[in-house]
Amino acid sequence: NAGVTQTPKFRILKIGQSMTLQCTQDMNHNYMYWYRQDPGMGLKLIYYSVGAGITDKGEVPNGYNVSRSTTEDFPLRLELAAPSQTSVYFCASSYRGPGQGVFETQYFGPGTRLLVL
Amino acid sequence: GDSVTQMEGPVTLSEEAFLTINCTYTATGYPSLFWYVQYPGEGLQLLLKATKADDKGSNKGFEATYRKETTSFHLEKGSVQVSDSAVYFCASGELGNEKLTFGTGTRLTIIP
Repeated sequence: NAGVTQTPKFRILKIGQSMTLQCTQDMNHNYMYWYRQDPGMGLKLIYYSVGAGITDKGEVPNGYNVSRSTTEDFPLRLELAAPSQTSVYFCASSYRGPGQGVFETQYFGPGTRLLVL
Repeated sequence: GDSVTQMEGPVTLSEEAFLTINCTYTATGYPSLFWYVQYPGEGLQLLLKATKADDKGSNKGFEATYRKETTSFHLEKGSVQVSDSAVYFCASGELGNEKLTFGTGTRLTIIP
């Protein structure tokens, strides 16, 4: 299994440009997440999905959009890039089953470093 | 809301020294607790976890015990190696709250 893969590894955007960060997992996980990691800070949740066709906002969703048309893919879209979106973006996935009694482990991709100038 | 507070870094130790990185949490219920490690240029990897009080998670010589009475999950290792140099994140997750709550991370550097 490749686990969680993300592309690209690094990207420079100009203010106002748009781009899509790709995320794919091959573990048949139902839950997927997007986090951002700012320097010296912990990770903040942007959006998450509990299954294909279902997405919801996290703590810091402004300026981003997501879709989940398949179990495997969870792309993150930046429509009008701003310097405040300079960050490292991590995709993660997990499996939560019916009646699960504990919070499950999330598995992370290698990250996409984004610089907005 | 839920929060995780962990020891400020950076931490620099000599090889074979004893390591403790403190982590405390606040939660409304009974969270699962995690330590993730981020090696330079890589994503986060699960290091260990514990899902209930008094559970001990362990991996690669690292240990952490879920202490409900002190709301803590301190990471320890008896003898660190240069290869342990990384950033360590403590995190909590509670059912009903979809996200992991992360601490700010502790950068650990081990010198030979």
